[in-house]
Amino acid sequence: ETGVTQTPRHLVMGMTNKKSLKCEQHLGHNAMYWYKQSAKKPLELMFVYNFKEQTENNSVPSRFSPECPNSSHLFLHLHTLQPEDSALYLCASSQEAEPLHFGNGTRLTVT
Amino acid sequence: GDSVTQMEGPVTLSEEAFLTINCTYTATGYPSLFWYVQYPGEGLQLLLKATKADDKGSNKGFEATYRKETTSFHLEKGSVQVSDSAVYFCALKNTGFQKLVFGTGTRLLVSP
Repeated sequence: ETGVTQTPRHLVMGMTNKKSLKCEQHLGHNAMYWYKQSAKKPLELMFVYNFKEQTENNSVPSRFSPECPNSSHLFLHLHTLQPEDSALYLCASSQEAEPLHFGNGTRLTVT
Repeated sequence: GDSVTQMEGPVTLSEEAFLTINCTYTATGYPSLFWYVQYPGEGLQLLLKATKADDKGSNKGFEATYRKETTSFHLEKGSVQVSDSAVYFCALKNTGFQKLVFGTGTRLLVSP
């Protein structure tokens, strides 16, 4: 149990589908993050939320839409994705200057 | 901008061998440095950290020393086990920023 739970673990979607990734943290942290992990590339920070407010959008295409309804939940809404968006999407949380805690990720395949 | 460079993998070792995974960084200011580990099918877990020069982080037999003069944070373990097989990520976080900057990761394979 990592304290950060992501669902689903695996997702296959077509380019015209709309789906959402969910992340929930049980650690009482005030910051939440989405990262993208692709093969042979460094982890890419996508979005950061502090106290439910988005504080960073790392030039992510608009086909990815984050939502943070409260400090414990984070969503990533997906629509009209491309095959190159296939990757492992990792959610993380942290409290102020403390290290990040990661979930186990959602393996996304876009067909 | 800030960046982290790790040695290319995979690193292949026999059980009980000595491990070194090199990590160097480029950053302004005084970053904190981290090693994360990712086991198959899982997310990243914090392995160890160091927040200032000459600090040594250690956990589960792994060690890394923050060397400001060489801008390095090499990961070492005296005797690896098969269960240490995983991908290891070096990362930095600069003062006043929440963003973690990661290296590309180094896969370690330990055979019996």
